[in-house]
Amino acid sequence: NAGVTQTPKFRVLKTGQSMTLLCAQDMNHEYMYWYRQDPGMGLRLIHYSVGEGTTAKGEVPDGYNVSRLKKQNFLLGLESAAPSQTSVYFCASSYPGQGPNNEQFFGPGTRLTVL
Amino acid sequence: LAKTTQPISMDSYEGQEVNITCSHNNIATNDYITWYQQFPSQGPRFIIQGYKTKVTNEVASLFIPADRKSSTLSLPRVSLSDTAVYYCLVGGYGGSQGNLIFGKGTKLSVKP
Repeated sequence: NAGVTQTPKFRVLKTGQSMTLLCAQDMNHEYMYWYRQDPGMGLRLIHYSVGEGTTAKGEVPDGYNVSRLKKQNFLLGLESAAPSQTSVYFCASSYPGQGPNNEQFFGPGTRLTVL
Repeated sequence: LAKTTQPISMDSYEGQEVNITCSHNNIATNDYITWYQQFPSQGPRFIIQGYKTKVTNEVASLFIPADRKSSTLSLPRVSLSDTAVYYCLVGGYGGSQGNLIFGKGTKLSVKP
């Protein structure tokens, strides 16, 4: 099993450009998440999904859109990139419910730089 | 939202026991407490999770007092490979995934 994979690993954008980050998981998890990680800020939840066709906002959703058309994929889009979106983006997935089933499995991250 | 507070950094030596405390004063009744470990250039990885009292697995112990307003991750006999950032996460029960709040993490440095 590949677990959680993210594409691309690195990307440099110019201000105003758009792009889509792809997250894929092969563990049949219902829940998927997108986080951003900035120095000194820890991980902050951008958007999440509790199932195919559903998405919801997290702590810092502005400037991002997401889609979950297939259970195994969760896409994060930046319509008009800004320098403030320079960050490392992590995708995660988990089973629903409480207790041990809530363990999140993280991908390797995507390092995005917006010039 | 159950905001968490952790020390920014801690230093230790190989073979010592390390205890990292996380404060979460606004924890909800249904919230679980989960700890993750993150190495540079990698995604976080699950260490341990608990609801109350004490939980132990092969790598760590988690102590949660009766009021659940804090929790302590205990790493026995640390080695150089335990140098990492440790995050405390509160929430995530059922549909409350949007309330998942990671702390800013504690950078643990283990010295020889």
